[in-house]
Amino acid sequence: EPEVTQTPSHQVTQMGQEVILRCVPISNHLYFYWYRQILGQKVEFLVSFYNNEISEKSEIFDDQFSVERPDGSNFTLKIRSTKLEDSAMYFCASSEPGTLRMEQFFGPGTRLTVL
Amino acid sequence: AQSVTQLDSQVPVFEEAPVELRCNYSSSVSVYLFWYVQYPNQGLQLLLKYLSGSTLVKGINGFEAEFNKSQTSFHLRKPSVHISDTAEYFCAVSESAGNMLTFGGGTRLMVKP
Repeated sequence: EPEVTQTPSHQVTQMGQEVILRCVPISNHLYFYWYRQILGQKVEFLVSFYNNEISEKSEIFDDQFSVERPDGSNFTLKIRSTKLEDSAMYFCASSEPGTLRMEQFFGPGTRLTVL
Repeated sequence: AQSVTQLDSQVPVFEEAPVELRCNYSSSVSVYLFWYVQYPNQGLQLLLKYLSGSTLVKGINGFEAEFNKSQTSFHLRKPSVHISDTAEYFCAVSESAGNMLTFGGGTRLMVKP
């Protein structure tokens, strides 16, 4: 069964460093998303991406964040200068075109720890 | 703006007992409703969804949920739980296809032998 994959599973970085979180969405999906979950808190939407551009973003997704689909398979989230409060689990998700795109399929997440 | 409230942060229950996990939402427009499950150290897996039609929705692993528009609720139920159902359960809403999901705070279901 096709699934969303994410790498790395755990990333540790120093405050102020840049990090890139990688995701491989399901191959025929056209909508892509990033969410995050700070420990003990709810899952929060960051950004959605369709047709090579951001379609929606939350207040969390400020100038420090960017997303890219560098090739036909990867979808990345970059944090330019990490802060302590960026420590969280980051989930990538994807969905199909058409009416079925209501269901978002989630990856296993990348745990980001900022020291 | 839409929001989701899961009233119970933890629900302990004995194996083979029934369980209901509560979810209430608020939105100014019609919504689509979802329940996701997160097992330890795993991602979010869709349990079931309500898009339209019958208000009683059946999902995987014997779970079902009922959409109640007048009470703006979408409670999740299972008549008999197993130890393996121990997980975090998230209710979520979306206002349209391809749009963001707004999640509730989650309910940790703890099934005891």
